[in-house]
Amino acid sequence: GESVGLHLPTLSVQEGDNSIINCAYSNSASDYFIWYKQESGKGPQFIIDIRSNMDKRQGQRVTVLLNKTVKHLSLQIAATQPGDSAVYFCAEEDLTGGGNKLTFGTGTQLKVEL
Amino acid sequence: GAGVSQSPRYKVTKRGQDVALRCDPISGHVSLYWYRQALGQGPEFLTYFNYEAQQDKSGLPNDRFSAERPEGSISTLTIQRTEQRDSAMYRCASSLRQGHEQYFGPGTRLTVT
Repeated sequence: GESVGLHLPTLSVQEGDNSIINCAYSNSASDYFIWYKQESGKGPQFIIDIRSNMDKRQGQRVTVLLNKTVKHLSLQIAATQPGDSAVYFCAEEDLTGGGNKLTFGTGTQLKVEL
Repeated sequence: GAGVSQSPRYKVTKRGQDVALRCDPISGHVSLYWYRQALGQGPEFLTYFNYEAQQDKSGLPNDRFSAERPEGSISTLTIQRTEQRDSAMYRCASSLRQGHEQYFGPGTRLTVT
């Protein structure tokens, strides 16, 4: 399978604890943000998204927080499970600018310890 | 239902050969995207289509790279005169329409020897 995370920032958490993964984005014109989960050997999988007119959005066990002032995005995972182990990427998009391409940030490797 | 599929999953080719990578998007998805992903990094945008029209090809590295989607469904990414630096994972994604969630395929691992 594909080996990712060779030089990625790593976050290690105990099973059952909450995880917080952070991301700094670059384009102040970006108005759509997405978190993707990528397991070894697989393509990125959509987790949750948020538009720039919001600062918080909740899903099942996940919450995304957006701080446009400092161009910061975070993903919170509640009660982290072994199946959450993966590389997590944030991505940004400038929808109103007419572009339709995701720009991905540096991934974070999440390791869940039993 | 079926997700995004790509073929071949693995391709090994000799330097100088042409390769064609295929993407079959989710049925009914208007938008189709091509990305390239290096080990340990996020996908990097190459090009995208709405229906059969190529909307943005600003991410294609050079003129050896081209893509088409002639009937607004299946897409082919072609790399001519491959070079070793072209070795990477090539990923395709599709979305219902522009600005919606993108679903990624399993990718084609290209190795140029």
